[in-house]
Amino acid sequence: QKEVEQNSGPLSVPEGAIASLNCTYSDRGSQSFFWYRQYSGKSPELIMFIYSNGDKEDGRFTAQLNKASQYVSLLIRDSQPSDSATYLCAVNNQAGTALIFGKGTTLSVSS
Amino acid sequence: NAGVTQTPKFQVLKTGQSMTLQCAQDMNHNSMYWYRQDPGMGLRLIYYSASEGTTDKGEVPNGYNVSRLNKREFSLRLESAAPSQTSVYFCASSEVISGEVPGELFFGEGSRLTVL
Repeated sequence: QKEVEQNSGPLSVPEGAIASLNCTYSDRGSQSFFWYRQYSGKSPELIMFIYSNGDKEDGRFTAQLNKASQYVSLLIRDSQPSDSATYLCAVNNQAGTALIFGKGTTLSVSS
Repeated sequence: NAGVTQTPKFQVLKTGQSMTLQCAQDMNHNSMYWYRQDPGMGLRLIYYSASEGTTDKGEVPNGYNVSRLNKREFSLRLESAAPSQTSVYFCASSEVISGEVPGELFFGEGSRLTVL
């Protein structure tokens, strides 16, 4: 079982809607959680990071962490066509020394 | 700032040939990583180095070797390339947030390798 699981999608939402991306992880000891966005042919770029239970908001983006359920999510409000990309969830590994990525969820925002 | 620099950006090899991917960072980060990315597979960790002088295996280390040459540089070597190693390779670096737990990863632009 891969340590970090994501639905591959594609997730399709209309412009202006809320996109909800989900991620589960297997190691209860994980401490750092990241969401990266990757456009086709480009490197991943950081969207959000979260270390504590609860919500963290940054502009149109909200990360939610529930360590008891081993679940981290990313909400994108007022989705724009430019948000169309693959979103990668990353969690620190069992040794705590590296980040393990999920397979990514492809988001498509239609105008 | 250059950030993380990888070379080469593109390479075509024949089966059995060897090559080294070079990576350098100028952010004074302790930790460096090599990932590979295949369609639909996300990023898979090959090897990482939590600090100068140490290296550890990741999820998919078979067929690869690494060298942490100094704090700035971390190279990935394919001794005998196989078609299954056709992929996009990303180098990344990070600082730690506590203990050895990594913080944000900064990625290079990627190296696209094709093995025929």
